[in-house]
Amino acid sequence: EAGVVQSPRYKIIEKKQPVAFWCNPISGHNTLYWYLQNLGQGPELLIRYENEEAVDDSQLPKDRFSAERLKGVDSTLKIQPAELGDSAVYLCASSLGSDRGETQYFGPGTRLLVL
Amino acid sequence: GNSVTQMEGPVTLSEEAFLTINCTYTATGYPSLFWYVQYPGEGLQLLLKATKADDKGSNKGFEATYRKETTSFHLEKGSVQVSDSAVYFCALSDNAGNMLTFGGGTRLMVKP
Repeated sequence: EAGVVQSPRYKIIEKKQPVAFWCNPISGHNTLYWYLQNLGQGPELLIRYENEEAVDDSQLPKDRFSAERLKGVDSTLKIQPAELGDSAVYLCASSLGSDRGETQYFGPGTRLLVL
Repeated sequence: GNSVTQMEGPVTLSEEAFLTINCTYTATGYPSLFWYVQYPGEGLQLLLKATKADDKGSNKGFEATYRKETTSFHLEKGSVQVSDSAVYFCALSDNAGNMLTFGGGTRLMVKP
């Protein structure tokens, strides 16, 4: 069974430029998460989707970040414009549902460097 | 809010040594507890989990017991191998949508 797929794996951009990350979850997984992982720290949740609906986006900086999950499968996370402080690893995870204790499966992440 | 505190690394051990990585948490209600591992160049992988008090999660020789009275979920392994070198993350999820709260991670280095 294929795992969570993310692309690109690495991205280098100049500040003020836009950037987008793509995630394909495990087939059949209704719940999708985007996390941000700064260097030397644990991941922090940005947004959670139940099918195509964003049910928790309280940690997403909405002035520059946006996300979508059309048709409840693939998801895209966008930053526009990027700032130096956005340099981090962006992780996508998926799970069958969102019951407490449900295992989340993580993709390899997209490492972003903003110059 | 929820929080997870784990011992800072790096932890450096010789092969076959005993490993303990401490993890304590703060949460309301009855969270589920997890240990994830991140090997060099790879994504986060679930190592083990426990969903209620006194449960013991185990996998690949690692184990951790959900201790509600001490709000802890310490990771242990009796004999580490070089291949166990990685970063280990303790995490919890609460009832509100299973969102994970992670600790800062502990880097383990095992020398032959």
